[in-house]
Amino acid sequence: GAGVSQSPSNKVTEKGKDVELRCDPISGHTALYWYRQSLGQGLEFLIYFQGNSAPDKSGLPSDRFSAERTGGSVSTLTIQRTQQEDSAVYLCASTYLSGGSGELFFGEGSRLTVL
Amino acid sequence: KNQVEQSPQSLIILEGKNCTLQCNYTVSPFSNLRWYKQDTGRGPVSLTIMTFSENTKSNGRYTATLDADTKQSSLHITASQLSDSASYICVVSARQAGTALIFGKGTTLSVSS
Repeated sequence: GAGVSQSPSNKVTEKGKDVELRCDPISGHTALYWYRQSLGQGLEFLIYFQGNSAPDKSGLPSDRFSAERTGGSVSTLTIQRTQQEDSAVYLCASTYLSGGSGELFFGEGSRLTVL
Repeated sequence: KNQVEQSPQSLIILEGKNCTLQCNYTVSPFSNLRWYKQDTGRGPVSLTIMTFSENTKSNGRYTATLDADTKQSSLHITASQLSDSASYICVVSARQAGTALIFGKGTTLSVSS
């Protein structure tokens, strides 16, 4: 597609439920990032995928969070046993260069509300 | 500790006026500095990217400056428009692994008529 696509755009769930958020990066982009943006806060790094290398998971806040990227393209962020503090906008970004040098293209985000 | 600080936190200006947003960073080793615009409910969109050797870069009415010696950057908006109302985020990349993108918390700009 023309840009980074994320789904769902909005998700409301009950505490304790699992959720999956999807990111479809720009075709050909080898690097993919997930960020979390809470109200009034800056973007918080979660996880980084680069080609076939092992992902950098250093930003995942707990073992309830996991992500995978299949075939070097689509990525899914999974949050298990959601908590109210997980409520935030989850942003995905992709780029064609590694090492933080390429321009990042962001999706519109998935807004998660945990009741 | 790598940090990016932005000021002011928020700003209100009249349509047609100019404004300048500030970004101070303590990221090392420095690779590049970016400014993003984030409209409410949307993802950030890149305005400029500057490397160490660049001290100014323009994108239409947006002009970013970089002083690598003092580790300061500014984003100047000329002849503001209502559509400039957004959050402006400064991001600094460290010359290391791809995860080393340090985000500021942003400046929220409101342009009123």
